[in-house]
Amino acid sequence: QQKVQQSPESLIVPEGAMTSLNCTFSDSASQYFAWYRQHSGKAPKALMSIFSNGEKEEGRFTIHLNKASLHFSLHIRDSQPSDSALYLCAALSGSFNKLTFGAGTRLAVCP
Amino acid sequence: GGIITQTPKFLIGQEGQKLTLKCQQNFNHDTMYWYRQDSGKGLRLIYYSITENDLQKGDLSEGYDASREKKSSFSLTVTSAQKNEMAVFLCASRPGGAREQYFGPGTRLTVL
Repeated sequence: QQKVQQSPESLIVPEGAMTSLNCTFSDSASQYFAWYRQHSGKAPKALMSIFSNGEKEEGRFTIHLNKASLHFSLHIRDSQPSDSALYLCAALSGSFNKLTFGAGTRLAVCP
Repeated sequence: GGIITQTPKFLIGQEGQKLTLKCQQNFNHDTMYWYRQDSGKGLRLIYYSITENDLQKGDLSEGYDASREKKSSFSLTVTSAQKNEMAVFLCASRPGGAREQYFGPGTRLTVL
């Protein structure tokens, strides 16, 4: 059964800093890796996803995947107070039907 | 664009009570999900359904029943509410062939 773990549990960074969030997964056959963001009291929303080893950049956000080390990460450049949220990583193995989520990293960006 | 609606937004029940949460989506998505989110934590899958009248158990199905009578709606029943299952219950849907899930705003359950 897939296990997904996130680190750190929580993080406080100053505005403008680079933020790095980490996720490890247990199933080496996993095919799809995603980050979701959940602002307080709101629905989780997909932020970025990646399928193959390497990096993908969208604006201030970069996702990095290393399947050999069972690790993927999210990097936020020039962090803003509006980035403050719970960040959930997720990995998919087997059918499309079941995403396994990590426990989340709570990010606070202080002005 | 579409939307997922969850009702009620807040649900208060007594210990041992049977409680039902409802979810509607107008995306016309095939697959729907129910997750439980304990305070500030990640999501645990309770049930999912890949089509009308289909039900598949997730990792946390004990103590819950689900129903998918129409493509657009998915209900979750807490069979006997317990104080240790106070949480936010999130409904999600996913179109066939895609991996991204779209979430509703959640129902917050309080058990007295």
